[in-house]
Amino acid sequence: AQSVTQLGSHVSVSEGALVLLRCNYSSSVPPYLFWYVQYPNQGLQLLLKYTTGATLVKGINGFEAEFKKSETSFHLTKPSAHMSDAAEYFCAVSFNNAGNMLTFGGGTRLMVKP
Amino acid sequence: GAVVSQHPSRVICKSGTSVKIECRSLDFQATTMFWYRQFPKQSLMLMATSNEGSKATYEQGVEKDKFLINHASLTLSTLTVTSAHPEDSSFYICSARGGRAHMNTEAFFGQGTRLTVV
Repeated sequence: AQSVTQLGSHVSVSEGALVLLRCNYSSSVPPYLFWYVQYPNQGLQLLLKYTTGATLVKGINGFEAEFKKSETSFHLTKPSAHMSDAAEYFCAVSFNNAGNMLTFGGGTRLMVKP
Repeated sequence: GAVVSQHPSRVICKSGTSVKIECRSLDFQATTMFWYRQFPKQSLMLMATSNEGSKATYEQGVEKDKFLINHASLTLSTLTVTSAHPEDSSFYICSARGGRAHMNTEAFFGQGTRLTVV
């Protein structure tokens, strides 16, 4: 069984500040981990994913995430927030590396203040 | 990435009526499609998985007679919410992948459909 917990349903940062969105998972098999972004009234867009290999994964729009097995975490970060980053972010886990049959976390709404 | 189009983006229907949502893969053959549901302030939950030409596999707790899924072609899957009730109001979103069932090809999401039942 797999599950995902995102700490903080809402995160607010100032423009230019560090973005940190937390994600912890549990999985009975080696996990494949994903971050998706959802803009208002739009579908999900893949930001990045971890399958195997390097534990620090770089994605689109300057985001990156680090897989830490010992902490069962996959936190999403961005050094400097931009207004356009305001959106809902979902962490997800799958038993395969293509993002099929995902188990999602509860989502974190990121707000960026000018 | 590949393009998945979902229609309509928004629909309002009366209680007791049925609503059909379409999910199309525009530039690839979608051998498998996934349907998710997102209730307000909650995360997405997988409802069912459908392989082209086969019956859909529903997740536990999802009524297959209420949420009819048809995946008759390699580019189109439909979700029909039958006899809709206000509690069915939700955001429904599909994702689609190509390749053979055992292959781990990436799935791409549609834009989603916000259903409101009044």
